[in-house]
Amino acid sequence: EAQVTQNPRYLITVTGKKLTVTCSQNMNHEYMSWYRQDPGLGLRQIYYSMNVEVTDKGDVPEGYKVSRKEKRNFPLILESPSPNQTSLYFCASRTTNGGAGKLFFGSGTQLSVL
Amino acid sequence: KNQVEQSPQSLIILEGKNCTLQCNYTVSPFSNLRWYKQDTGRGPVSLTIMTFSENTKSNGRYTATLDADTKQSSLHITASQLSDSASYICVVRDLGGGADGLTFGKGTHLIIQP
Repeated sequence: EAQVTQNPRYLITVTGKKLTVTCSQNMNHEYMSWYRQDPGLGLRQIYYSMNVEVTDKGDVPEGYKVSRKEKRNFPLILESPSPNQTSLYFCASRTTNGGAGKLFFGSGTQLSVL
Repeated sequence: KNQVEQSPQSLIILEGKNCTLQCNYTVSPFSNLRWYKQDTGRGPVSLTIMTFSENTKSNGRYTATLDADTKQSSLHITASQLSDSASYICVVRDLGGGADGLTFGKGTHLIIQP
């Protein structure tokens, strides 16, 4: 089954404790992206990657890191989480062939930073 | 700056009734517009995609329209069901120089009451 898999589904941590949210897709998509979703603000892009070893900042990259060493994986790293990073996070992927580019989203990671 | 505005912000209707959600955009040059449905706590799922030359596209009880001249789109839901309760997000893609090219609306939160 074609899917984007995020882990963990829920995460509670404390300020300053490094964490990684994993994302993996099995559709051989070139493009992958991370979003955060907050009430009243909608989805905002954190980072995206057009292919292996190619990453770029989205609209709200501060406090986040990413890497794309393999095509299928795109982990999101919070080196020193802060309470304002409490949010619902989504990973997504799509093909870059053609102009349609339907995004396939993961099920989300609810992060709480205390 | 590219923008996507959705209205209303939230909507409550009775089961079985019809409703229409609006999306106005200023994205240029336009490539395509997609409507996503997002159930609470889940990732968005694509409903329809519309390109410049398409005026109407249906997906079951969902019908999307596009007026590229006025830069407006609507999503019409016929004979609503309880399972239609969700957020509906309008996403517009541009053909510009940016690698990502996606602009997200903040969504319309729809509640279907029995």
